[in-house]
Amino acid sequence: QKEVEQDPGPLSVPEGAIVSLNCTYSNSAFQYFMWYRQYSRKGPELLMYTYSSGNKEDGRFTAQVDKSSKYISLFIRDSQPSDSATYLCAMSAGTQGGSEKLVFGKGTKLTVNP
Amino acid sequence: GAVVSQHPSRVICKSGTSVKIECRSLDFQATTMFWYRQFPKQSLMLMATSNEGSKATYEQGVEKDKFLINHASLTLSTLTVTSAHPEDSSFYICSAIVGAETQYFGPGTRLLVL
Repeated sequence: QKEVEQDPGPLSVPEGAIVSLNCTYSNSAFQYFMWYRQYSRKGPELLMYTYSSGNKEDGRFTAQVDKSSKYISLFIRDSQPSDSATYLCAMSAGTQGGSEKLVFGKGTKLTVNP
Repeated sequence: GAVVSQHPSRVICKSGTSVKIECRSLDFQATTMFWYRQFPKQSLMLMATSNEGSKATYEQGVEKDKFLINHASLTLSTLTVTSAHPEDSSFYICSAIVGAETQYFGPGTRLLVL
C-alpha cells in the first residue's frame, strides 16, 4: 500500500460546480496536510495548509482533514475554468513542527468547462 | 508569498554531458531546500534534502555521485546531473522552507537528454 493514495482522475466538471478532491493515507504519524495546485509544466503552488484534524476555509477553497479515517479533502466551490489544473495532496509527519519531507499523492487532473 | 526561482527553465543536452540547475530563494533565506523529480503523469518524488553548509541527504535509490547537490548559501542550491542519460530526462523541481511549516516550490526545470 502506498503511503498516500490519490485518484488521478481526470475529473471534468462544468463551471460553477462544486469539486471534491480526496486523498487517503496510511501513515498515522502525518500531522501536516497540504494541497498544491500545479499548472501544466509549472511548479506546484501552495493552496491550503492544515495542521492535524479539522476544517480550513480560504475563499472558494475548503480543506478537511479526518485523521481518524486517514482521509483528507479539498472542496472547490463555484469552480472556474481558471481552476483547471492538477491538484496534489501532500503530507508530512514534520519535525518539531516543521514540514520537511513531504509525501505527495499522484495528483488529480481537474478540468472546469465554461 | 515566498518566491523561489529556478534556472534554466528548460535544457536540452547530449548524453554524457553534465547539467547544472540553480534554485534560488528570492525574498527569504532558506536553511533547507529540497530537490524533487517528476516524471510525466507521476507525482513529485523527493530526491534529496539540501542544508546550507552541510552535505545533502539523499533518498533511497538516488545516486549521490550522479546528482551532485551544493547548498553554498542561504539563498542558493544547485543540482548537477553528471553524465546525463536519456532516462534522466524529467522535470526537476526545487523547494525551500520558509520558517518551519511550509515549502514553496520553484517553477521547475525540464531536462531532456538526447
